[in-house]
Amino acid sequence: AQTVTQSQPEMSVQEAETVTLSCTYDTSENNYYLFWYKQPPSRQMILVIRQEAYKQQNATENRFSVNFQKAAKSFSLKISDSQLGDTAMYFCAFIPQGGSEKLVFGKGMKLTVNP
Amino acid sequence: EPEVTQTPSHQVTQMGQEVILRCVPISNHLYFYWYRQILGQKVEFLVSFYNNEISEKSEIFDDQFSVERPDGSNFTLKIRSTKLEDSAMYFCASEPTSGTGYEQYFGPGTRLTVT
Repeated sequence: AQTVTQSQPEMSVQEAETVTLSCTYDTSENNYYLFWYKQPPSRQMILVIRQEAYKQQNATENRFSVNFQKAAKSFSLKISDSQLGDTAMYFCAFIPQGGSEKLVFGKGMKLTVNP
Repeated sequence: EPEVTQTPSHQVTQMGQEVILRCVPISNHLYFYWYRQILGQKVEFLVSFYNNEISEKSEIFDDQFSVERPDGSNFTLKIRSTKLEDSAMYFCASEPTSGTGYEQYFGPGTRLTVT
């Protein structure tokens, strides 16, 4: 079965601090794509960062970076210098490369950045 | 920046009634999706649509559901006879091109409440 698990339902962090959101997944595929999506309150989901499983180098996008551990099937998101605008639901998701286009999502995690 | 839009933002209907949820994908996108999220649960894939036909559907997407792209701009999800368990947030998404791992752009969602 292809599943994504986000074990932390909720976290809070002080502005300017660093926070790590955890995600594990299960798949028998060797090649796939992993994503973190952000959903601010009352707004649509937007892509934060993407990682291709065949790439060993961890993806980074400005203050956002991932720690991709393929053997452990772990894909955590690190947010550096947290800002109030980072307050949102964060969803970990992946697409197996076996011809499917569907995203398989985790349950999401609510991050609150406090001033 | 172009966005996926969805209407209505909230739909209340009685059990057994038909509902149509509407989406306007980004204009040059080729792949279209519906997902849903029951309150407190994961975002789940319903169906993908390409070249005017369904390319993949989940076991949730039974005979009560249908999708259509009637005029080249709108992308609709119809539920023929709603059930209480259809109450959920429904998200439309579109993707610019083929190939696994491209970014899916999400709409803000329609909250469907079946009473």
